[in-house]
Amino acid sequence: DIQLTQSPSSLSASVGDRVTITCRASQFISIYLNWYQQKPGKAPKVLIYAASSLQSGVPSRFSGSGSGTDFTLTISSLQPEDFATYYCQQSYSTPPYTFGRGTKVEIK
Amino acid sequence: QVQLLQSGAEVKKPGASVKVSCKASGYTFTAHYIHWVRQAPGQGLEWMGWISPNSGGTNYAQKFQGRVTMTRDASVSTAYMELSGLISDDTAVYFCARRTVGPAGGVFWLDPWGQGTLITVSS
Repeated sequence: DIQLTQSPSSLSASVGDRVTITCRASQFISIYLNWYQQKPGKAPKVLIYAASSLQSGVPSRFSGSGSGTDFTLTISSLQPEDFATYYCQQSYSTPPYTFGRGTKVEIK
Repeated sequence: QVQLLQSGAEVKKPGASVKVSCKASGYTFTAHYIHWVRQAPGQGLEWMGWISPNSGGTNYAQKFQGRVTMTRDASVSTAYMELSGLISDDTAVYFCARRTVGPAGGVFWLDPWGQGTLITVSS
């Protein structure tokens, strides 16, 4: 199975900060990498698909990059509504379509 | 709008089975796979498997093989996930999610998701 390692597992940041979360795959997954945001008590919501494509309706301060095994989610200017947990997920080849363990973004 | 509506929370005893439903609306049910993902309290997301609402074909994570059954009833645009032999570690929120495929095929993502169904396993 493909393992996804997210880092950091948590971070504290202030409104307006630039935030970067990384996701490393245990093997080549091309661009088959998605990013989700989850707020407490809610279902996850897709932000970025295929490594760098912004989902419709998602603010442009979110961006994704990477291919192969190393990927990054960037929030250019953190807003109050962005405090949440972020997960990467790979959709490469055959199942299981694993998730990273999540990165919790908290208020500093 | 595209929406997935799941059945309500349940409490089950160890060894029992549970069946969660996921009713789709706002799109052609048979055109998109449904995936199931669970989340134990305070933990991350765990992919369980998918079902093709068109063919009924399924693919389960090895961890759940033999205990999970995913079915669908296209006449009511509803997918189901049944988990048997419940243990306390199965206590979790169970989500269904629609697979959306990119224009060139290949890449897919899960959107939207159902609201989640809390299954509590307790004696």
